[in-house]
Amino acid sequence: DTAVSQTPKYLVTQMGNDKSIKCEQNLGHDTMYWYKQDSKKFLKIMFSYNNKELIINETVPNRFSPKSPDKAHLNLHINSLELGDSAVYFCASSYSFAGGADTQYFGPGTRLTVL
Amino acid sequence: AQTVTQSQPEMSVQEAETVTLSCTYDTSESDYYLFWYKQPPSRQMILVIRQEAYKQQNATENRFSVNFQKAAKSFSLKISDSQLGDAAMYFCAYLGGTYKYIFGTGTRLKVLA
Repeated sequence: DTAVSQTPKYLVTQMGNDKSIKCEQNLGHDTMYWYKQDSKKFLKIMFSYNNKELIINETVPNRFSPKSPDKAHLNLHINSLELGDSAVYFCASSYSFAGGADTQYFGPGTRLTVL
Repeated sequence: AQTVTQSQPEMSVQEAETVTLSCTYDTSESDYYLFWYKQPPSRQMILVIRQEAYKQQNATENRFSVNFQKAAKSFSLKISDSQLGDAAMYFCAYLGGTYKYIFGTGTRLKVLA
């Protein structure tokens, strides 16, 4: 019954490592997003894909690369992890992008800790 | 650029009482949507209520209602008959023509038994 799922829920890793976070939605939505929530709880969008096409790419370091193998999946790969990457990363999805402002449904978040 | 401001970092309410969380925003757009999301300690972001800017009627979902003042660019959330399970961070969000959610900084709501 899970609508938007993320794996893993917790990720602890060393600086310099490469890691991936996976996201899947079973809502039949066309659009998926990645958000970062920092230690002060501030949420900011990073990327958005509509039907596997990148449509929003905020000012995010090149070390972050999203990949959408199909419209139900949006993975986030992070190279050369830095201390400042420690945060909670949320995946979200919405019915469509072109249709206007659609409610976004969020996954449970992945808490990334870089040591 | 649009901005969303939540001026109350923390609020407290007695169980069964009513509390109002404030949110103001700045935009030059006429068509947009506003949302309140709840984030309990479990971290899950849960949609509480949504308001379309073109609708004058305030949205209501059970014990949750909004006071939407378009001219004043204000979008407050009223929680009636507060319950212990309402304790959470509450985020106001704006969604306009850029299709990007812009979140406020959040208000932590404590519910006192």
